[in-house]
Amino acid sequence: KAGVTQTPRYLIKTRGQQVTLSCSPISGHRSVSWYQQTPGQGLQFLFEYFSETQRNKGNFPGRFSGRQFSNSRSEMNVSTLELGDSALYLCASSSGQTVGYEQYFGPGTRLTVT
Amino acid sequence: AQSVTQLGSHVSVSEGALVLLRCNYSSSVPPYLFWYVQYPNQGLQLLLKYTTGATLVKGINGFEAEFKKSETSFHLTKPSAHMSDAAEYFCAVSAANTGNQFYFGTGTSLTVIP
Repeated sequence: KAGVTQTPRYLIKTRGQQVTLSCSPISGHRSVSWYQQTPGQGLQFLFEYFSETQRNKGNFPGRFSGRQFSNSRSEMNVSTLELGDSALYLCASSSGQTVGYEQYFGPGTRLTVT
Repeated sequence: AQSVTQLGSHVSVSEGALVLLRCNYSSSVPPYLFWYVQYPNQGLQLLLKYTTGATLVKGINGFEAEFKKSETSFHLTKPSAHMSDAAEYFCAVSAANTGNQFYFGTGTSLTVIP
C-alpha cells in the first residue's frame, strides 16, 4: 500500500498571501488529521476530517481551514499568512472507524513565510 | 482532555546502552497510548501502541513500552541502543471521550554516542 503523500514538500510564501496544502491518505482510510509542527510549540492539532465532515478542531484561528473530498483526499488552506505560520505541516490518515486507531503520517510540507 | 508529559527533551546514551524515554499521561478515561519516531525532514513513524490487553507492548526496531496505570506512565525502552536510533521520539495519547484526537508530548531528542 502506498503511504500518505503530501504536496508540495516545500513552499515559500510572502506575508499576506494564502496557501493550500494537499494530502492523499492511505487507500481505504477515511480520516485525515492535520498538525502544525514548530520547534517552539511542538506538534499542535489543527483539525480532523472524516468522510468529508470536520470531526475535531484544534485551537487555531479561522485563517486555518480545511476540507475533505469524496475520495478522502484533503486540503488545508491558510489565508493571510503570518511569519508565525512558518512550520512543518503534517497530515495523518487512519481508518478512523474504531477507537484507539493509529495514525499514519505523511512526510510533511515545509512552509516558510517571508 | 488528555495531555502528555515527556521528561527530558534531550537524552544521550552510548551505543549498546539501555534507552529509556519517559512519558506520563493524563486522562480521565482509559487512554490509548502511542510512541512515534521522527527522523530529520520526515514525518512520524509509529513505533508501538497500547490500546487494551497486555500492558507490555513490543514495537518495531526492538523497542517496547509498558503501560502502568497506577503511575500513569508509558515509558519507551530498548535494551541496546544503535546509532540508527538517533531521532526525535514523541509520545501521544488519545481517548474515546475526545473523539480520538491525538495529544502529543513535546518530544525527546535521542543522541547515540559511538
